[in-house]
Amino acid sequence: DAMVIQNPRYQVTQFGKPVTLSCSQTLNHNVMYWYQQKSSQAPKLLFHYYDKDFNNEADTPDNFQSRRPNTSFCFLDIRSPGLGDAAMYLCATSRGGGHSDGYTFGSGTRLTVV
Amino acid sequence: AQSVAQPEDQVNVAEGNPLTVKCTYSVSGNPYLFWYVQYPNRGLQFLLKYITGDNLVKGSYGFEAEFNKSQTSFHLKKPSALVSDSALYFCAVRDIQAAGNKLTFGGGTRVLVKP
Repeated sequence: DAMVIQNPRYQVTQFGKPVTLSCSQTLNHNVMYWYQQKSSQAPKLLFHYYDKDFNNEADTPDNFQSRRPNTSFCFLDIRSPGLGDAAMYLCATSRGGGHSDGYTFGSGTRLTVV
Repeated sequence: AQSVAQPEDQVNVAEGNPLTVKCTYSVSGNPYLFWYVQYPNRGLQFLLKYITGDNLVKGSYGFEAEFNKSQTSFHLKKPSALVSDSALYFCAVRDIQAAGNKLTFGGGTRVLVKP
């Protein structure tokens, strides 16, 4: 089945130690998104890639970066995780253009910072 | 700018009773509207969407939603709730004319169905 896969499901990292979260998709969608979700709140968009074009949200901290080496993969890099970065990180995909589709989400990676 | 409001943080309902989760939206143009459900430690799962046509939309797991343009609402409903429907529900809107065409989510409503 076509899907969005996030690895790992659970990640524990040390305060200040760089960590990378991974997302892959088999949908061949143009757009890939990274969301941060804390404590059952609404997901907060960090950034997205439309093909190779990177789009950062204005309030996304510089500590968060992303890479998309090809259509299928997208990575979230947290350079120096703080305790406040502990959250669920959700990857999502969609087709580009003015279509009526929603997003397809992965199962998420729950990040713990110790 | 587009926005979504879910006025209830939590909805409690007895199993077998009707379930309603409220959503209102604001867009400058015509909306695409969506409902997603999230179970603990999982991603968001698509339930249903309104694009155009019939105002009553039927989706997964027996859920339906009614689009009301005059009230700018898109309430989620289920005639007979199950304990397994207990989860976090998000309404989302996409403005067809908006640049970037991104989804905007409401704050979420936690549904608790008691046996």
